[in-house]
Amino acid sequence: DTAVSQTPKYLVTQMGNDKSIKCEQNLGHDTMYWYKQDSKKFLKIMFSYNNKELIINETVPNRFSPKSPDKAHLNLHINSLELGDSAVYFCASSQSLDSNYGYTFGSGTRLTVV
Amino acid sequence: AQKITQTQPGMFVQEKEAVTLDCTYDTSDQSYGLFWYKQPSSGEMIFLIYQGSYDEQNATEGRYSLNFQKARKSANLVISASQLGDSAMYFCAMREGVYGQNFVFGPGTRLSVLP
Repeated sequence: DTAVSQTPKYLVTQMGNDKSIKCEQNLGHDTMYWYKQDSKKFLKIMFSYNNKELIINETVPNRFSPKSPDKAHLNLHINSLELGDSAVYFCASSQSLDSNYGYTFGSGTRLTVV
Repeated sequence: AQKITQTQPGMFVQEKEAVTLDCTYDTSDQSYGLFWYKQPSSGEMIFLIYQGSYDEQNATEGRYSLNFQKARKSANLVISASQLGDSAMYFCAMREGVYGQNFVFGPGTRLSVLP
């Protein structure tokens, strides 16, 4: 049973397209996140949701829009994709915002914009 | 300013030896948490160990231990008896903020274990 699952694992698309990445967790966690890992492996938080409410919205272009239909799901929709959006996107969850058990990460979605 | 600094972009260690990966952090919060994650070449992020700012003892999890020096704001990861499977990227991370809502990662250290 995968704890945090992301789909798709790989996504290749053309500039200007709109795409979505889905994330689901079956751990009963309250908090979910989206992280972007660039080509230099640097991980940067994009969004954080706690009980379906947006907590953190870092400086990302408004072409990125998260949607949390329920506590177990946090999807990421990206409009008008650009070359610079190419990266690995990780979904993660934690029991709560201040959990001592860290985050459980999904396996990542490698997005390539051509 | 960088919240998490990992000064070693790459490290090599001989199999079965111990290795220390450095991490220093910057926060003005009294309550915070420090984490280490491993990212093997397959790409997944694996949680290794946690240290709370009020914990008096250094955290240990199997072959992993965290050398926590609060006054120096350092949280180094020590891996004992390195194995080939330990070759990976290692990220130090910190959770801070009133609600613990700020979670930042360091730039990572690539560890290569030599046979």
